[in-house]
Amino acid sequence: GDSVTQMEGPVTLSEEAFLTINCTYTATGYPSLFWYVQYPGEGLQLLLKATKADGKGSNKGFEATYRKETTSFHLEKGSVQVSDSAVYFCALRGQGAQKLVFGQGTRLTINP
Amino acid sequence: KAGVTQTPRYLIKTRGQQVTLSCSPISGHRSVSWYQQTPGQGLQFLFEYFSETQRNKGNFPGRFSGRQFSNSRSEMNVSTLELGDSALYLCASSLGTGESYEQYFGPGTRLTVT
Repeated sequence: GDSVTQMEGPVTLSEEAFLTINCTYTATGYPSLFWYVQYPGEGLQLLLKATKADGKGSNKGFEATYRKETTSFHLEKGSVQVSDSAVYFCALRGQGAQKLVFGQGTRLTINP
Repeated sequence: KAGVTQTPRYLIKTRGQQVTLSCSPISGHRSVSWYQQTPGQGLQFLFEYFSETQRNKGNFPGRFSGRQFSNSRSEMNVSTLELGDSALYLCASSLGTGESYEQYFGPGTRLTVT
């Protein structure tokens, strides 16, 4: 079945550092790929998405590129802020499917 | 546009009881999905309803059930609660059709079973 694997956390960085959170997936066909963010005590917020190979999603300085050849969708940000501290989830929705399949989440802490 | 709302936000129940959680989707969305989030298992799909019909179901026991009303609001019910049912229950709404629709999540209901 479909699956998502994220880099293990927690990840701790200093403010203004470069961020990469790795995400790889297993799925048939062309799934849609998503990054969600969860702040303490809240639900999940959609951060960005990409729905076709080589597509790029971007939002709030975050970017991720849908790489079909490496089955990856790594999340990047050039300069993180303390307010980016949260748990980040990579997810996919299989072609023709309705449900989301999530990675295990990566907890990110940014120190001032 | 108002977001997804879930009620109640917090619940404490005793083992063996049953519980009903409610979810109101974004206006115009016809699909509601439910997920369970626990520290050990992460986020797991429970079921999805579209136009009052269960369209997809995850791998959970029959104690977990749901329904959707004509206004797209959805409820999920858990009967004969077990300690392991303690979790954050998230609902997500979406258009439910098309190739690239997104799911938008509510704040969740935190269920504690004692």
